[in-house]
Amino acid sequence: QSALTQPASVSGSPGQTITISCTGSSSDIGYYKYVSWYQQHPGKAPKLLIYEVSNRPSGVSNRFSGSKSVNTASLTISGLQAEDETDYFCSSYTTSGTWVFGGGTKVTVL
Amino acid sequence: QVQLQESGPGLVKPSETLSLTCGVSGYSIRSEFYWGWIRQFPGKGLEWIGNINYSGTTYHNPSLKSRVTISVDTSKNQFALKLNSVTAADTALYYCARVRFSGSCYFDYWGQGTLVTVSS
Repeated sequence: QSALTQPASVSGSPGQTITISCTGSSSDIGYYKYVSWYQQHPGKAPKLLIYEVSNRPSGVSNRFSGSKSVNTASLTISGLQAEDETDYFCSSYTTSGTWVFGGGTKVTVL
Repeated sequence: QVQLQESGPGLVKPSETLSLTCGVSGYSIRSEFYWGWIRQFPGKGLEWIGNINYSGTTYHNPSLKSRVTISVDTSKNQFALKLNSVTAADTALYYCARVRFSGSCYFDYWGQGTLVTVSS
């Protein structure tokens, strides 16, 4: 069982906006701004999408955005495209000096 | 372009030691970054194993600490993972990654991962 809880799957039609949640605790997401999101295509290296809750690395589409409220972080994908169909997972630094991850969410474009 | 590549045996026998190496290209390991290991279990869950910097300062997941050794070889621009006394529960896809651990905490570049199966 993963330390951070994500929905197993989220789906949407092309052009729609979807949101993936990532729920932790007051010892991780609720304590730090160090929440990050990753995109994982099968057989490929995970790609950093969001760091420090809402910052995008250079080169990442502005269709991806992040936010946080109390112990839950969210990744929003706007203008959903076929290429967005893959797995996404979240991560947070913790007060124990470790990193924890979510179980991953599969995004399906209908 | 920062690239990381894991290498090592894909099959390890129970009770033996899992040994992996991560080669880094396009960036010097002698930098402000840390370098880390993460694994992904067959059910997709991920677990942080530990990080190291070029001077050998390490941080480990307490759940694995007694079995894990992470080392760095700056002359080869690579770092390594050893996990001893493995069991079937250690079967996973092992990733190496570059870690921002100064002023922030995230993994910005990852390798493609290498599957390690523990079986006799």
